[in-house]
Amino acid sequence: EAGVAQSPRYKIIEKRQSVAFWCNPISGHATLYWYQQILGQGPKLLIQFQNNGVVDDSQLPKDRFSAERLKGVDSTLKIQPAKLEDSAVYLCASSLNFDTEKLFFGSGTQLSVL
Amino acid sequence: GEDVEQSLFLSVREGDSSVINCTYTDSSSTYLYWYKQEPGAGLQLLTYIFSNMDMKQDQRLTVLLNKKDKHLSLRIADTQTGDSAIYFCAESKSNTGKLIFGQGTTLQVKP
Repeated sequence: EAGVAQSPRYKIIEKRQSVAFWCNPISGHATLYWYQQILGQGPKLLIQFQNNGVVDDSQLPKDRFSAERLKGVDSTLKIQPAKLEDSAVYLCASSLNFDTEKLFFGSGTQLSVL
Repeated sequence: GEDVEQSLFLSVREGDSSVINCTYTDSSSTYLYWYKQEPGAGLQLLTYIFSNMDMKQDQRLTVLLNKKDKHLSLRIADTQTGDSAIYFCAESKSNTGKLIFGQGTTLQVKP
């Protein structure tokens, strides 16, 4: 079974530039999550989708971050404009449904903002 | 509130047992998890325990849950150098899927 796919693996940008990350969840998984992991910290949930609807985006800085999952499968997370403090690993995860005990994580996109 | 705390670092010798501890604050948590993260890699689910259990064993891993004290531990028997990684404790609530993670414990295994 293929895992959660993310791209790119690494991204280096300058502050005030824009960046987008892509995630393809495990086939058949209805729930998709984006987590932000700052160096030395545990991951923090940014946004949760159930199919193509947003369930929880309370921790998403909406003035600069946006995410979509238009067809209920792939998802993109965008930052515009980026700040230095956005440097982190962005992890995508998926699960069969929101009430399942198993989340599966991708390898993440490491973003460096200079 | 939502808060998960872990000690930051643990060093053991190969072949010894490792015990990684975690405390959480939300008594409504449904599942508690242990994830492993190796350098440059994503999070690998090691094991999880339902909140109405107090112990779960899976090969070299033993999870103990003390709900009264809101304390979770992960014991790794016969620790190997390949177990060197960061271990994250996480809690989730029923019907949300949202995980709250601790800051991670770096396990160093010396030969």
